[in-house]
Amino acid sequence: ETGVTQTPRHLVMGMTNKKSLKCEQHLGHNAMYWYKQSAKKPLELMFVYSLEERVENNSVPSRFSPECPNSSHLFLHLHTLQPEDSALYLCASSQDGSGGTGYGYTFGSGTRLTVV
Amino acid sequence: TQLLEQSPQFLSIQEGENLTVYCNSSSVFSSLQWYRQEPGEGPVLLVTVVTGGEVKKLKRLTFQFGDARKDSSLHITAAQPGDTGLYLCAGVADNDKIIFGKGTRLHILP
Repeated sequence: ETGVTQTPRHLVMGMTNKKSLKCEQHLGHNAMYWYKQSAKKPLELMFVYSLEERVENNSVPSRFSPECPNSSHLFLHLHTLQPEDSALYLCASSQDGSGGTGYGYTFGSGTRLTVV
Repeated sequence: TQLLEQSPQFLSIQEGENLTVYCNSSSVFSSLQWYRQEPGEGPVLLVTVVTGGEVKKLKRLTFQFGDARKDSSLHITAAQPGDTGLYLCAGVADNDKIIFGKGTRLHILP
């Protein structure tokens, strides 16, 4: 399998549940990212990992907890979410830690999260 | 705060027509990326423009970076239903931070 794979594709969870989103990249990239995509808003960067170390956390609420056990895998652990957290969560990878080179980001297909 | 404004927000046109969408900012970017996102999928990188005034072509799509590196345009010639999607521009600042626009949602009617 190639590219960036995200599971599950769809997730419905109650506000008291705990769930995890999984991302796997098979591209040999050194950096991985979590983005949140909401209607009528730009993509919001949540977390950046470069060489398995977290290098950026854009003031994300603590109910979102990332984990990067190795350069190929990234998780987003969710607990006590709010309905406004419903969105498409996208994982991305890039060759270096910026995504700003000519190669840009490679995105997964996303997890559509609904919090009820 | 750096912002990227994309216009129009929505565009619905007939197959075979030409169109242009815009990405504007008051900030200078070191490079600018264009992505296309189809329903149910993640964004896919189409092109990166780096030099002010640069023009890149990808089949029927023509991308231009403004001379001052503050804006960009995407022109599609003879639009096809397969061009339907959300077009996102992303500006790369000198500190390598990437700012996304809200996107232009394009619908090509057969």
